[in-house]
Amino acid sequence: TQLLEQSPQFLSIQEGENLTVYCNSSSVFSSLQWYRQEPGEGPVLLVTVVTGGEVKKLKRLTFQFGDARKDSSLHITAAQPGDTGLYLCAGCNAGGTSYGKLTFGQGTILTVHP
Amino acid sequence: EAGVVQSPRYKIIEKKQPVAFWCNPISGHNTLYWYRQNLGQGPELLIRYENEEAVDDSQLPKDRFSAERLKGVDSTLKIQPAELGDSAVYLCASSLAAGQAYEQYFGPGTRLTVT
Repeated sequence: TQLLEQSPQFLSIQEGENLTVYCNSSSVFSSLQWYRQEPGEGPVLLVTVVTGGEVKKLKRLTFQFGDARKDSSLHITAAQPGDTGLYLCAGCNAGGTSYGKLTFGQGTILTVHP
Repeated sequence: EAGVVQSPRYKIIEKKQPVAFWCNPISGHNTLYWYRQNLGQGPELLIRYENEEAVDDSQLPKDRFSAERLKGVDSTLKIQPAELGDSAVYLCASSLAAGQAYEQYFGPGTRLTVT
Protein backbone atom coordinates (compact mmCIF):
# COMPACT_ATOMS: atom_id res chain seq x y z
CA THR A 1 0.00 0.00 0.00
CA GLN A 2 1.36 3.38 -1.00
CA LEU A 3 1.16 6.12 1.61
CA LEU A 4 1.70 9.85 1.41
CA GLU A 5 2.49 11.68 4.64
CA GLN A 6 1.66 15.35 4.68
CA SER A 7 2.91 17.82 7.25
CA PRO A 8 1.94 19.85 9.03
CA GLN A 9 -1.66 18.75 9.43
CA PHE A 10 -2.73 22.22 10.59
CA LEU A 11 -1.20 25.61 9.89
CA SER A 12 -2.48 28.92 11.26
CA ILE A 13 -0.57 32.02 10.19
CA GLN A 14 -0.91 35.77 9.75
CA GLU A 15 -1.33 37.47 6.41
CA GLY A 16 2.03 38.16 4.78
CA GLU A 17 3.87 35.21 6.29
CA ASN A 18 5.51 32.46 4.26
CA LEU A 19 4.80 28.75 4.71
CA THR A 20 5.82 25.36 3.40
CA VAL A 21 3.81 22.15 3.27
CA TYR A 22 5.59 18.82 2.85
CA CYS A 23 4.49 15.59 1.25
CA ASN A 24 6.62 12.46 1.76
CA SER A 25 6.43 8.84 0.72
CA SER A 26 8.60 5.74 0.65
CA SER A 27 7.14 4.96 -2.79
CA VAL A 28 8.04 6.37 -6.17
CA PHE A 29 5.26 8.04 -8.12
CA SER A 30 5.13 8.80 -11.82
CA SER A 31 3.86 12.26 -10.97
CA LEU A 32 2.57 14.24 -8.06
CA GLN A 33 -0.36 16.60 -7.96
CA TRP A 34 -1.35 19.34 -5.53
CA TYR A 35 -5.00 20.19 -4.94
CA ARG A 36 -6.81 22.86 -2.97
CA GLN A 37 -10.21 22.11 -1.45
CA GLU A 38 -12.66 24.57 0.07
CA PRO A 39 -15.46 23.57 2.47
CA GLY A 40 -18.39 21.96 0.70
CA GLU A 41 -16.50 21.62 -2.58
CA GLY A 42 -14.40 19.00 -4.28
CA PRO A 43 -10.61 19.31 -4.68
CA VAL A 44 -9.36 21.53 -7.50
CA LEU A 45 -6.06 20.76 -9.21
CA LEU A 46 -3.33 23.38 -8.74
CA VAL A 47 -0.36 21.74 -10.45
CA THR A 48 1.14 18.46 -11.65
CA VAL A 49 4.88 17.82 -11.33
CA VAL A 50 6.33 14.98 -13.37
CA THR A 51 10.13 15.14 -13.52
CA GLY A 52 12.38 14.53 -10.51
CA GLY A 53 13.74 17.87 -9.29
CA GLU A 54 11.07 19.82 -11.17
CA VAL A 55 10.03 23.20 -9.83
CA LYS A 56 6.83 24.94 -10.89
CA LYS A 57 5.59 28.36 -9.90
CA LEU A 58 2.01 29.53 -9.83
CA LYS A 59 1.99 33.20 -8.78
CA ARG A 60 2.94 33.08 -5.07
CA LEU A 61 2.94 29.27 -4.94
CA THR A 62 6.09 27.25 -5.65
CA PHE A 63 5.91 23.47 -6.06
CA GLN A 64 8.90 21.15 -6.05
CA PHE A 65 9.16 17.43 -6.85
CA GLY A 66 11.98 15.55 -5.15
CA ASP A 67 14.82 14.13 -7.23
CA ALA A 68 13.75 10.57 -6.43
CA ARG A 69 10.06 11.36 -7.11
CA LYS A 70 9.10 10.31 -3.59
CA ASP A 71 8.47 13.70 -2.01
CA SER A 72 7.21 17.16 -2.80
CA SER A 73 6.76 20.54 -1.22
CA LEU A 74 4.45 23.50 -1.61
CA HIS A 75 5.74 26.91 -0.60
CA ILE A 76 3.47 29.95 -0.37
CA THR A 77 5.02 33.41 -0.22
CA ALA A 78 3.21 36.27 1.48
CA ALA A 79 0.11 34.28 2.31
CA GLN A 80 -3.28 35.96 1.95
CA PRO A 81 -6.64 35.14 3.58
CA GLY A 82 -7.82 33.86 0.19
CA ASP A 83 -5.22 31.09 0.45
CA THR A 84 -7.18 29.54 3.32
CA GLY A 85 -8.26 25.98 2.57
CA LEU A 86 -7.31 22.31 2.62
CA TYR A 87 -4.21 21.52 0.58
CA LEU A 88 -3.83 17.95 -0.65
CA CYS A 89 -0.97 16.22 -2.36
CA ALA A 90 -1.68 13.16 -4.49
CA GLY A 91 0.73 10.69 -6.05
CA CYS A 92 -0.13 9.18 -9.40
CA ASN A 93 0.63 5.55 -10.31
CA ALA A 94 2.25 4.77 -13.62
CA GLY A 95 1.14 1.28 -14.57
CA GLY A 96 -0.84 -1.89 -14.04
CA THR A 97 -4.49 -1.93 -13.10
CA SER A 98 -3.83 1.11 -10.89
CA TYR A 99 -2.74 3.20 -13.86
CA GLY A 100 -3.66 6.80 -13.20
CA LYS A 101 -4.78 6.04 -9.64
CA LEU A 102 -4.28 8.91 -7.21
CA THR A 103 -3.11 8.26 -3.66
CA PHE A 104 -3.91 11.29 -1.52
CA GLY A 105 -2.15 12.56 1.56
CA GLN A 106 -4.27 13.42 4.60
CA GLY A 107 -4.16 17.12 3.82
CA THR A 108 -2.99 20.35 5.43
CA ILE A 109 -5.61 22.75 6.74
CA LEU A 110 -4.27 26.27 6.20
CA THR A 111 -5.82 29.28 7.88
CA VAL A 112 -4.50 32.74 7.03
CA HIS A 113 -5.66 35.46 9.40
CA PRO A 114 -6.02 39.06 8.16
CA GLU B 1 -19.34 23.92 -19.59
CA ALA B 2 -21.07 22.22 -16.67
CA GLY B 3 -18.87 20.54 -14.10
CA VAL B 4 -19.38 17.21 -12.38
CA VAL B 5 -22.86 17.10 -10.88
CA GLN B 6 -23.68 15.11 -7.77
CA SER B 7 -26.88 14.59 -5.87
CA PRO B 8 -28.00 14.74 -3.22
CA ARG B 9 -25.58 17.17 -1.57
CA TYR B 10 -26.52 15.99 1.91
CA LYS B 11 -28.11 12.81 3.22
CA ILE B 12 -28.94 11.77 6.76
CA ILE B 13 -30.08 8.19 7.33
CA GLU B 14 -30.34 5.72 10.16
CA LYS B 15 -27.98 2.77 10.28
CA LYS B 16 -29.07 -0.32 8.37
CA GLN B 17 -30.95 1.82 5.84
CA PRO B 18 -29.97 1.88 2.15
CA VAL B 19 -28.68 5.00 0.42
CA ALA B 20 -27.74 5.90 -3.13
CA PHE B 21 -25.63 8.68 -4.63
CA TRP B 22 -25.79 9.87 -8.21
CA CYS B 23 -23.08 11.41 -10.37
CA ASN B 24 -23.18 12.96 -13.83
CA PRO B 25 -19.65 13.49 -15.17
CA ILE B 26 -18.44 16.17 -17.53
CA SER B 27 -19.68 15.49 -21.03
CA GLY B 28 -17.22 13.43 -23.02
CA HIS B 29 -15.26 12.19 -20.02
CA ASN B 30 -14.79 8.44 -20.35
CA THR B 31 -13.26 7.84 -16.93
CA LEU B 32 -15.31 8.19 -13.76
CA TYR B 33 -14.14 7.80 -10.17
CA TRP B 34 -15.88 7.46 -6.82
CA TYR B 35 -13.92 8.53 -3.75
CA ARG B 36 -14.71 8.56 -0.04
CA GLN B 37 -13.32 11.37 2.11
CA ASN B 38 -13.43 11.13 5.88
CA LEU B 39 -13.25 14.28 7.98
CA GLY B 40 -9.73 15.66 8.07
CA GLN B 41 -8.43 13.13 5.54
CA GLY B 42 -7.68 13.00 1.86
CA PRO B 43 -10.01 11.21 -0.56
CA GLU B 44 -9.67 7.44 -1.00
CA LEU B 45 -10.55 5.79 -4.28
CA LEU B 46 -13.47 3.36 -4.13
CA ILE B 47 -13.92 2.50 -7.80
CA ARG B 48 -12.85 3.67 -11.23
CA TYR B 49 -14.79 3.20 -14.47
CA GLU B 50 -13.50 3.28 -18.02
CA ASN B 51 -16.72 3.88 -19.94
CA GLU B 52 -19.11 1.31 -18.44
CA GLU B 53 -16.42 -1.08 -17.21
CA ALA B 54 -15.22 -1.06 -13.61
CA VAL B 55 -11.43 -1.39 -14.03
CA ASP B 56 -10.34 -0.81 -10.42
CA ASP B 57 -12.72 -1.70 -7.60
CA SER B 58 -10.16 -3.17 -5.23
CA GLN B 59 -11.00 -0.62 -2.51
CA LEU B 60 -14.78 -1.03 -2.74
CA PRO B 61 -16.28 -2.91 0.28
CA LYS B 62 -18.30 -5.26 -1.87
CA ASP B 63 -20.35 -6.74 0.97
CA ARG B 64 -22.37 -3.55 1.26
CA PHE B 65 -21.27 -1.20 -1.52
CA SER B 66 -22.22 -1.46 -5.17
CA ALA B 67 -21.85 0.83 -8.15
CA GLU B 68 -22.96 0.95 -11.71
CA ARG B 69 -22.35 3.10 -14.75
CA LEU B 70 -24.92 2.07 -17.28
CA LYS B 71 -24.29 3.36 -20.82
CA GLY B 72 -20.96 4.76 -19.68
CA VAL B 73 -22.30 8.15 -18.68
CA ASP B 74 -23.80 8.82 -15.27
CA SER B 75 -23.16 6.56 -12.31
CA THR B 76 -24.80 5.47 -9.06
CA LEU B 77 -23.07 4.37 -5.86
CA LYS B 78 -25.18 2.44 -3.37
CA ILE B 79 -24.68 1.38 0.23
CA GLN B 80 -26.92 -1.30 1.71
CA PRO B 81 -27.11 -1.50 4.64
CA ALA B 82 -25.36 1.64 5.87
CA GLU B 83 -23.22 1.53 9.01
CA LEU B 84 -22.17 4.33 11.35
CA GLY B 85 -18.63 4.19 9.94
CA ASP B 86 -19.91 5.03 6.46
CA SER B 87 -20.44 8.66 7.48
CA ALA B 88 -18.20 10.62 5.11
CA VAL B 89 -18.22 12.77 1.99
CA TYR B 90 -18.57 10.77 -1.21
CA LEU B 91 -16.87 12.48 -4.14
CA CYS B 92 -17.29 11.75 -7.80
CA ALA B 93 -14.65 12.78 -10.32
CA SER B 94 -14.23 12.42 -14.05
CA SER B 95 -11.47 12.75 -16.62
CA LEU B 96 -11.11 12.38 -20.38
CA ALA B 97 -9.08 9.22 -19.82
CA ALA B 98 -6.98 7.59 -17.12
CA GLY B 99 -3.42 8.68 -16.52
CA GLN B 100 -1.39 11.53 -15.12
CA ALA B 101 -1.83 13.62 -18.25
CA TYR B 102 -5.58 13.79 -17.70
CA GLU B 103 -6.83 16.11 -14.98
CA GLN B 104 -9.50 14.74 -12.67
CA TYR B 105 -12.40 17.11 -12.11
CA PHE B 106 -14.24 16.65 -8.85
CA GLY B 107 -17.86 17.23 -8.02
CA PRO B 108 -18.94 18.95 -4.78
CA GLY B 109 -19.61 15.64 -3.06
CA THR B 110 -22.44 14.13 -1.06
CA ARG B 111 -22.09 14.44 2.71
CA LEU B 112 -23.55 11.30 4.30
CA THR B 113 -24.41 11.13 7.98
CA VAL B 114 -25.44 7.76 9.40
CA THR B 115 -27.11 7.94 12.82
